Amino acid sequence: DGGITQSPKYLFRKEGQNVTLSCEQNLNHDAMYWYRQDPGQGLRLIYYSQIVNDFQKGDIAEGYSVSREKKESFPLTVTSAQKNPTAFYLCASSLTTNTGELFFGEGSRLTVL
Amino acid sequence: KQEVTQIPAALSVPEGENLVLNCSFTDSAIYNLQWFRQDPGKGLTSLLLIQSSQREQTSGRLNASLDKSSGRSTLYIAASQPGDSATYLCAVEYTDKLIFGTGTRLQVFP
Repeated sequence: DGGITQSPKYLFRKEGQNVTLSCEQNLNHDAMYWYRQDPGQGLRLIYYSQIVNDFQKGDIAEGYSVSREKKESFPLTVTSAQKNPTAFYLCASSLTTNTGELFFGEGSRLTVL
Repeated sequence: KQEVTQIPAALSVPEGENLVLNCSFTDSAIYNLQWFRQDPGKGLTSLLLIQSSQREQTSGRLNASLDKSSGRSTLYIAASQPGDSATYLCAVEYTDKLIFGTGTRLQVFP
């Protein structure tokens, strides 16, 4: 089955630690995205990538980093510089940017203890 | 400022009712509009995508309409079922960004 796989589903982190969330897709999509979802707020874009070896900051990139070394993979690192990292993180992909249908993974819930 | 609003924030209806969810946007120069469903603790599932040149899209019991001039889209759910209980989000795509609404939380009770 084609789709987007995020791991881990749940992650606990101590303050001051960096953590990396995995996102893998087998849809052959060029564009990939990371969103953050907080209660009562719409999804906010962290980073996006239109093609391999290229990525752009979204609206709330501070304290996060990404890489896009392979078409299938777009990992997100939540660094210790992110002031309020506890949230639900969603990875998505589309064939290209601005061409419509967006597909999402099941999400990763990060809790900072 | 480009904004996307979904009203109501929550809705509770008995099984079998036909219902309408609303999505409003302030900038009518949209590229497309997409409706999603999200179950608690899960990712978003795409329901319907309407291109800016289209007026509506249908899938099963779902029908989404788009009126760019008035800045509105509606998601019509026919003969609602308890399994339709979820949060429904709309997302409006412009040339340089995609903006999500905050969603309507729907509960359909037997």
